Amino acid sequence: DAKTTQPPSMDCAEGRAANLPCNHSTISGNEYVYWYRQIHSQGPQYIIHGLKNNETNEMASLIITEDRKSSTLILPHATLRDTAVYYCIVRVDNAGNMLTFGGGTRLMVKP
Amino acid sequence: GAVVSQHPSRVICKSGTSVKIECRSLDFQATTMFWYRQFPKQSLMLMATSNEGSKATYEQGVEKDKFLINHASLTLSTLTVTSAHPEDSSFYICSATPISRRVAGDPQYFGPGTRLLVL
Repeated sequence: DAKTTQPPSMDCAEGRAANLPCNHSTISGNEYVYWYRQIHSQGPQYIIHGLKNNETNEMASLIITEDRKSSTLILPHATLRDTAVYYCIVRVDNAGNMLTFGGGTRLMVKP
Repeated sequence: GAVVSQHPSRVICKSGTSVKIECRSLDFQATTMFWYRQFPKQSLMLMATSNEGSKATYEQGVEKDKFLINHASLTLSTLTVTSAHPEDSSFYICSATPISRRVAGDPQYFGPGTRLLVL
């Protein structure tokens, strides 16, 4: 699976959009981009995933560049409860494949 | 949908005893479940892959005789920490992906985790 690079930490003001970048320059054509977050002392929570098109759901939007070498997770109106570690992971679509977690980005939403 | 539960959520045990952690997929079936371990201020590390009806596969450095995994059904995997020691104290998390793929790239879903403290 391709390796990802994320900034170790970011701050965001409550109510503003949080834009979390991820670099995956060695991604393969059949690898999806997944985003998870982990709130303190809880299991990771699935947020969104995509292959090459931009995706949106009730939690967030995922913007993938045309060359697929990077992506951005957007939380449109961050709240204090969005404070968490956000992980960007790339993986081939296969139920038997595990996820490899990097360091993630620690997002701190401030009032 | 796609809910994974773990039991217990927290356990304290004495050194030398064994502890069993259950991981259940509540609304889907999974032939493969994964067990992760997370130490304070660190990321999740895969311990083993649990395969229904067959032996688990362990990551390098994880003792299979110490961390016994049983995946007896398509909705249940168990992790038993045998002869637990204080260094086994950690946050244990399981995950699974539905057999019936609902969307392309169907993600893994994680349980809430089990915090083990060995005294």
